[in-house]
Amino acid sequence: GESVGLHLPTLSVQEGDNSIINCAYSNSASDYFIWYKQESGKGPQFIIDIRSNMDKRQGQRVTVLLNKTVKHLSLQIAATQPGDSAVYFCAEILLQTGANNLFFGTGTRLTVIP
Amino acid sequence: NAGVTQTPKFRVLKTGQSMTLLCAQDMNHEYMYWYRQDPGMGLRLIHYSVGEGTTAKGEVPDGYNVSRLKKQNFLLGLESAAPSQTSVYFCASRSWSGKSSGNTIYFGEGSWLTVV
Repeated sequence: GESVGLHLPTLSVQEGDNSIINCAYSNSASDYFIWYKQESGKGPQFIIDIRSNMDKRQGQRVTVLLNKTVKHLSLQIAATQPGDSAVYFCAEILLQTGANNLFFGTGTRLTVIP
Repeated sequence: NAGVTQTPKFRVLKTGQSMTLLCAQDMNHEYMYWYRQDPGMGLRLIHYSVGEGTTAKGEVPDGYNVSRLKKQNFLLGLESAAPSQTSVYFCASRSWSGKSSGNTIYFGEGSWLTVV
């Protein structure tokens, strides 16, 4: 996953604009990738996932893109709303390693400016 | 459907005290996890369980113990709390699904622990 740092990367966008949040993962053998949203004082919430054999997956207002060549994952949020303000982080899953197979990135703080 | 429930939500401990965090899930999931989350860092796995009666160490297990006596419950214990254990603790669960879908992990709302 992402390197651990003292400060979260931040992204500020105007309400109504599109947001793109990026994640660099470490293991080329990962089978699944998941994006989570974490609002202040709450637990992480599942947003969308993508299998390693896919390049793109769309959900409601969100799209995840996977570039295995450069081990990069992105989350695109269309028409960003104030309720989208949160910390977003990606997780990678290696199914072959059993239950202890989840690796989380540090996260990106998204702030939506009204 | 309550999902994953953690208790207590907030707790202040003195150094050396012991306590137990309880996690309960009603989704009949096989796998359960305890993570801690510190400022500026992602989730770090403390311990996990692949089923009733089994537990295993994660990335940062020192100072913690766990038990999974019932499938729906996963307990995290601190025998002698230290200030370094001040953190937010998250429990999570998921079902086993091999290579098919359903690898989503469901998280509890978190337990804020302060050790003074």
